[in-house]
Amino acid sequence: AAGVIQSPRHLIKEKRETATLKCYPIPRHDTVYWYQQGPGQDPQFLISFYEKMQSDKGSIPDRFSAQQFSDYHSELNMSSLELGDSALYFCASSSDRSSYEQYFGPGTRLTVT
Amino acid sequence: AQSVTQLGSHVSVSEGALVLLRCNYSSSVPPYLFWYVQYPNQGLQLLLKYTTGATLVKGINGFEAEFKKSETSFHLTKPSAHMSDAAEYFCAVSDSGVTGGGNKLTFGTGTQLKVEL
Repeated sequence: AAGVIQSPRHLIKEKRETATLKCYPIPRHDTVYWYQQGPGQDPQFLISFYEKMQSDKGSIPDRFSAQQFSDYHSELNMSSLELGDSALYFCASSSDRSSYEQYFGPGTRLTVT
Repeated sequence: AQSVTQLGSHVSVSEGALVLLRCNYSSSVPPYLFWYVQYPNQGLQLLLKYTTGATLVKGINGFEAEFKKSETSFHLTKPSAHMSDAAEYFCAVSDSGVTGGGNKLTFGTGTQLKVEL
């Protein structure tokens, strides 16, 4: 079965640079969630999209922005990167018909040096 | 606001012994509850979920959990631990009855399970 695809899997950036993380949901899933997991921490909700519209927002810094495109893939754009942004970024998708069940991608590990 | 509390950040059991990972939740509305497992450097895999109906939920890899409203608990158990069960386990909660992308998960702080020979 198709799973959630995230790219890149690993990314190394320097402080003050920008990064773009991509998420391709499971086919026919219309909802995407982004989570950030810092070292040794639990995942924290950042933002979600349903049918290409932002539906909920969590603890996402103003330096970050995201969107969902017409093909339902989503991109998380991160600017003015800080050392504290180093984390594992997960994307999860769900079908609104069973919106409680989220399927997670393998994550993008971002390292800011 | 919803929250979950996982008691014990590290749990160690012998192979073949009972696994019990504790999770208590706080929610102002009927919750949906989940257990996820994370292996090193990997994503989150859903073990099991409780939404409505039967309070004893069976999941993958022999795990099960029981929703106890009176105790606001959703503890994860497995009768006999295997070495391959060593991983980090997260309990999570979301609101029930929400659609349109509003079902964000709130995770506990995780429990690292170690299985010893």
